[in-house]
Amino acid sequence: SAVISQKPSRDICQRGTSLTIQCQVDSQVTMMFWYRQQPGQSLTLIATANQGSEATYESGFVIDKFPISRPNLTFSTLTVSNMSPEDSSIYLCSVEGGNGANVLTFGAGSRLTVL
Amino acid sequence: GNSVTQMEGPVTLSEEAFLTINCTYTATGYPSLFWYVQYPGEGLQLLLKATKADDKGSNKGFEATYRKETTSFHLEKGSVQVSDSAVYFCALSFNTGNQFYFGTGTSLTVIP
Repeated sequence: SAVISQKPSRDICQRGTSLTIQCQVDSQVTMMFWYRQQPGQSLTLIATANQGSEATYESGFVIDKFPISRPNLTFSTLTVSNMSPEDSSIYLCSVEGGNGANVLTFGAGSRLTVL
Repeated sequence: GNSVTQMEGPVTLSEEAFLTINCTYTATGYPSLFWYVQYPGEGLQLLLKATKADDKGSNKGFEATYRKETTSFHLEKGSVQVSDSAVYFCALSFNTGNQFYFGTGTSLTVIP
């Protein structure tokens, strides 16, 4: 299955700033997914990133707040803009594949704390 | 709508104890069901899956049976080890599209 590297693994940020999370996959994939894992809550899909087109955002998430880039088939970035304490979460990059279709492989996540 | 409900943790067990983590789901259609595990400092990994009713997924001594009549997919292991300490997530997905629905996760700690 694919190996996913995310960075930063964790960061502490100030309110009002923006942070970009990088996701690198060791193989070419069509779709990359960005999830948020808030404390004590389930994973929530933020958006799906396809190479060469605009990301598709889920209800409750907008491009101005979470801009995504997908410059090639192995890399994507998620920016969390104008952060507030409510954005403190683990952000996870994932791709489909490994152990069969319809299975997600995840990166280790980026734990953001906003003060 | 589609959702997954799993038992709240944290769960603490002694080594070699029997483990059950309950998971029930609500779905419009016939989803595939999954258990993912997240070890400390690592990403979620697929533990096991089942794609249709009465299927049993198994891996590393863990197993779960897809029960359509009770809309459940409970995770069990007969004898847990310290190395099983992790957070376990139940999830469902449909083969069309890529939308996964996750439970809130259950933290398991196994003590020697």
